[in-house]
Parts: sequence; structure tokens; C-alpha cells
Amino acid sequence: ETGVTQSPTHLIKTRGQQVTLRCSSQSGHNTVSWYQQALGQGPQFIFQYYREEENGRGNFPPRFSGLQFPNYSSELNVNALELDDSALYLCASRLKMGLAGNTDTQYFGPGTRLTVL
Amino acid sequence: GIQVEQSPPDLILQEGANSTLRCNFSDSVNNLQWFHQNPWGQLINLFYIPSGTKQNGRLSATTVATERYSLLYISSSQTTDSGVYFCAVDRGTGNQFYFGTGTSLTVIP
Repeated sequence: ETGVTQSPTHLIKTRGQQVTLRCSSQSGHNTVSWYQQALGQGPQFIFQYYREEENGRGNFPPRFSGLQFPNYSSELNVNALELDDSALYLCASRLKMGLAGNTDTQYFGPGTRLTVL
Repeated sequence: GIQVEQSPPDLILQEGANSTLRCNFSDSVNNLQWFHQNPWGQLINLFYIPSGTKQNGRLSATTVATERYSLLYISSSQTTDSGVYFCAVDRGTGNQFYFGTGTSLTVIP
């Protein structure tokens, strides 16, 4: 039990649609990151939010966007879904010491498995 | 970004055997974690170990930051140890974790 939850567990969408995935972080964690994990690969960093602002982004297009809320919840939004967006989406929360500060242990949610048809 | 390589990519063990998993990284880091991913996709943190040695039951880990590698030791393996093991590093900005390629472990009874 990591204290991080995600919803929904599974989701099926069709190409071109939009999707919102949700994450609830551990209480007190000021940082949430989202990852995409394709089958057979390691997680790939999408972006990170620190105190409700994006402060790091991986190599993903702008149609991947997010929000972080004061109540330790966050969202990942994906517009104009493509077949290659089919993957396990993971969120992770941690406590970060300052804007460019070091971080402690990262805790992952169980993931949302997205299938795009 | 940092390149993180893990070896071996696949490992099959008889229950009770010991194993060593390796993680090499291409740049200096100040945060390194080992994770176990179960068949349902849940990533469980095993160690937060940017340097030094830690032990937790049958598992232990060592990171030699100056030589840019980390090792995960599994002793007396059990079938429940099966899954994929990842190491992940943070270069120090605290803004992005880079994951390795993973080691898929299968422990057979």
C-alpha cells in the first residue's frame, strides 16, 4: 500500500477522443509526476507538477496536459487520442525540498490501463 | 537525459537461489531508487539508495555513485519475487526520474 490511488483502473477509448485520468497523492506530498509505460518497457516521464505548477516535462506533445490541486489530487488529460497512446499510465507522489531541491522516495499508484481503439 | 541500463534483461531462477541485478547510469545522480513491478503493474519501492548499502530482509542494495552503478541482491529467492525490477535515477534537479530498461525475474518452484 503506497497511499497513492488512481482512477479509473481500466479505460477504453477510440482514436480522436479525449481522456482524463485522476490521481490522489499521499497527504503532504507537494509533487506529482505522471509516467507512460508501454508494454514491455520502463516508465517514461511525461511531466511533473510542484505546488500546482508544471516544473518538468518529458518528450511528450502538448496534447498531454495536467493539473494539480491543493487537496493532493491531480489529473492527466490527453486530447486527440492516438493508437500509440495505449499504455499503463502511472502517477507518483513525493516530497520535494524547494523548486530545484532534492527529493525523497517516490511512491507510485496502481496505474490506469488505457486502450485506444 | 541520463541513460540507465540494467542487466541482465531476463533472469530465471530456481526457488532458493541468489541473484544480483545491476544498474548502470551515465551521469552523476543524487537520487536512486529500486522498484519491483508486480504482474498487475504496481510499482513498489524497494530502496531509496543514492549511495551506500542498505538491507531489508532478503534484499539488499549497494550504490557506488562515483562509479555510476547500483546492485540489487536477492537471496533465497521465492516465487513471489517474480516480476520486473527497475532502477530509476534523478540527476539532482528533482524534476525527472529516468527509469532503466528493467530486469524480468521469474522464480520457479
